[in-house]
Amino acid sequence: AQSVAQPEDQVNVAEGNPLTVKCTYSVSGNPYLFWYVQYPNRGLQFLLKYITGDNLVKGSYGFEAEFNKSQTSFHLKKPSALVSDSALYFCAVSGETFSGGYNKLIFGAGTRLAVHP
Amino acid sequence: DGGITQSPKYLFRKEGQNVTLSCEQNLNHDAMYWYRQDPGQGLRLIYYSQIVNDFQKGDIAEGYSVSREKKESFPLTVTSAQKNPTAFYLCASNTGQFSTDTQYFGPGTRLTVL
Repeated sequence: AQSVAQPEDQVNVAEGNPLTVKCTYSVSGNPYLFWYVQYPNRGLQFLLKYITGDNLVKGSYGFEAEFNKSQTSFHLKKPSALVSDSALYFCAVSGETFSGGYNKLIFGAGTRLAVHP
Repeated sequence: DGGITQSPKYLFRKEGQNVTLSCEQNLNHDAMYWYRQDPGQGLRLIYYSQIVNDFQKGDIAEGYSVSREKKESFPLTVTSAQKNPTAFYLCASNTGQFSTDTQYFGPGTRLTVL
């Protein structure tokens, strides 16, 4: 069975410093990995995904994520944090398919990022 | 959130009532999904639909029902059998053709049981 772990409930970063939000996964076969961001009382916004190829994936709003197969990780990073980056971040993995070949996303519990001025 | 609308934004339900949450998309997506979000638990799949007039139970379907009569619409009914319905409900859609397809989410409906 596939699963996703986000080991930190909250990450605190000073504005201008680099940030990392951690994600590890377990899946049979090739993993397809996603990061989403959620602002209060809003839906999830897609940031980036890893399908294959280059282990460093670049996404929206200056975010990037590094896929590490040996460590089964897909950490989200940004070189310089902004106060406006403060939000809830979700990692998700898709590897299995429903009957008929459609994807099922498994979400981590989320990590709250707080960027302080 | 663009392309997927959910209504209402806030919904209050009395004990024993059924309520229906609306989800509409104009992205021409075949697949649609309903998730439930509770604090600290991430998102859990309630129902999904790959095509019109077809839908499947997700991980927590008990106490919920859906229909898919039109490609654009996937309403969710929270029945009185759902013992703890207070949560944030999110609708999503994608082409549904591949496991690599990104799911796009609506803005959500917050349901509170009074």
